Amino acid sequence: EAGVTQSPTHLIKTRGQQATLRCSPISGHTSVYWYQQALGLGLQFLLWYDEGEERNRGNFPPRFSGRQFPNYSSELNVNALELEDSALYLCASSLQGGDVQPQHFGDGTRLSIL
Amino acid sequence: QKEVEQNSGPLSVPEGAIASLNCTYSDRGSQSFFWYRQYSGKSPELIMSIYSNGDKEDGRFTAQLNKASQYVSLLIRDSQPSDSATYLCAVNMLRSSYKLIFGSGTRLLVRP
Repeated sequence: EAGVTQSPTHLIKTRGQQATLRCSPISGHTSVYWYQQALGLGLQFLLWYDEGEERNRGNFPPRFSGRQFPNYSSELNVNALELEDSALYLCASSLQGGDVQPQHFGDGTRLSIL
Repeated sequence: QKEVEQNSGPLSVPEGAIASLNCTYSDRGSQSFFWYRQYSGKSPELIMSIYSNGDKEDGRFTAQLNKASQYVSLLIRDSQPSDSATYLCAVNMLRSSYKLIFGSGTRLLVRP
């Protein structure tokens, strides 16, 4: 069974540009979560999508947005990139949203802002 | 007070010893608790999930939950150098609308 897949593996952008990160969940999983992990810091929750709807959002500015497609894949868009957006962006999926299902992570996209 | 707290470590144990990793959380209504292992530069890997008070064993790993004390721990028996990693405690918090809140992680070093 394929795990969570993310693309691209690495992404290099300059300040002010826009970045799009993609995620395909484990087959059968309907919930997708996005996290940011800056170097040396913990995982910060960004967004949760379930059944195509945004269910919850972390404390990030509106320039962080995303969507979930009918096939449950998801993309994260970051507009007006700033230097501090440099981080590992992790996508996770679970069988369903809510409180009991464990989340399984992809390998991440490392975003570098020059 | 942080929502999920872990000692950052490093926790250093000799090969073959028991490593004990601890985590406390602030939301008494939390129902789901997870331990992830993260090697440097890699993504977190789910090790254990626990939902009710008591112990849950899986191979060399035992998760322990005490909801009254708002405390969850992970024991690793017969520690191996390959267990050296950062261990993340994650709590699904009711009052945060089921956001999974991660602790900052404990770095474990297993000495050969």
